Amino acid sequence: GAVVSQHPSWVICKSGTSVKIECRSLDFQATTMFWYRQFPKQSLMLMATSNEGSKATYEQGVEKDKFLINHASLTLSTLTVTSAHPEDSSFYICSARPDRTQPQHFGDGTRLSIL
Amino acid sequence: AQSVTQPDIHITVSEGASLELRCNYSYGATPYLFWYVQSPGQGLQLLLKYFSGDTLVQGIKGFEAEFKRSQSSFNLRKPSVHWSDAAEYFCAVLPGGKLIFGQGTELSVKP
Repeated sequence: GAVVSQHPSWVICKSGTSVKIECRSLDFQATTMFWYRQFPKQSLMLMATSNEGSKATYEQGVEKDKFLINHASLTLSTLTVTSAHPEDSSFYICSARPDRTQPQHFGDGTRLSIL
Repeated sequence: AQSVTQPDIHITVSEGASLELRCNYSYGATPYLFWYVQSPGQGLQLLLKYFSGDTLVQGIKGFEAEFKRSQSSFNLRKPSVHWSDAAEYFCAVLPGGKLIFGQGTELSVKP
């Protein structure tokens, strides 16, 4: 079945550094990928929709300059948290789908901890 | 606006007992509907989906869900729960390009 790989699964870094998270569709091409943020005991909050070869579409309230998204190929999207601060600590999950008629498949998430 | 409501935040069932998790949606047309499961610290796994056709859909791990248009519901069921089913369950609707998730229901299974 469709597999989405997310890396790293856990990252701890100092405040002020930038962190890159990768999301890969391993056995299908994903024209669209999605980035979510999840706080403990809460549902997923969509941050942005990433379309291959074009700029990402950010949800209201999500800082574009803070959360840089690149979708350079049909199998890879990256989320870079720039100048991360403790309030950016969270669980970030990506998902991908082959096309609009197919369900989204999710990566295993990245636990980001900013000290 | 489209929305998904999961009325039960937390449910506890005994192992071997039946399970029903409720999901109600608000959408003008028939949406695409999904149930996902999330184990602690993990991503989401698709249990089943409804796009059209037979309103009773079968999924993985022995789960099924029934779409009831008159009630705007898509409840998830399992006849006999196993301890490994303990997890967070999310109902989601796809009205267009983006998934909208419910708040989630945490399932605990007692021996």
